[in-house]
Amino acid sequence: KQEVTQIPAALSVPEGENLVLNCSFTDSAIYNLQWFRQDPGKGLTSLLLIQSSQREQTSGRLNASLDKSSGRSTLYIAASQPGDSATYLCAVEGAGGTSYGKLTFGQGTILTVHP
Amino acid sequence: DGGITQSPKYLFRKEGQNVTLSCEQNLNHDAMYWYRQDPGQGLRLIYYSQIVNDFQKGDIAEGYSVSREKKESFPLTVTSAQKNPTAFYLCASGKFTGELFFGEGSRLTVL
Repeated sequence: KQEVTQIPAALSVPEGENLVLNCSFTDSAIYNLQWFRQDPGKGLTSLLLIQSSQREQTSGRLNASLDKSSGRSTLYIAASQPGDSATYLCAVEGAGGTSYGKLTFGQGTILTVHP
Repeated sequence: DGGITQSPKYLFRKEGQNVTLSCEQNLNHDAMYWYRQDPGQGLRLIYYSQIVNDFQKGDIAEGYSVSREKKESFPLTVTSAQKNPTAFYLCASGKFTGELFFGEGSRLTVL
């Protein structure tokens, strides 16, 4: 059964810092990996989608990398801002059998960026 | 505007009652999903549907039921058999194996 772990569980940084959020998964047979952002009491917003054949994706100040063989992904946020404060979740979609089309989520990293 | 609409945003239920959460999308997506979110436990899949008139159980389907009579709609019923229904429920849609888009969620509280 696929398990997804995110480290750290919480992170507090001053504005302007570059930071890295980590995601690891136990089964490397994945179709894709997605990073999401969730604000308190709200739904999830998709940030980046990395297909299993890709190594990284970039959107603005965000860069996500994927090392499928080692079961790891990182989300890099450059020049953090208070508006980046939210919970960040990663999710992997299984590639075979009953996992196809289903996402398994990590528990998230709560990020606080203070002015 | 295109998107996913969940209603109601807040719902209170007495023990023993069934309640239905609505999820509508106008993104022309084939796949739709229901997730449950509890503090400290991440999101867990309840049911999902790849096409109209077909749906599959997720990891925690017991005490829940769904229907998919229209492509745009995927309502979730929380039945009295669900032992601990208080949670935040999230509906999502997407092209199967593609990027997933979420609604704003429905918070259910059992009184």
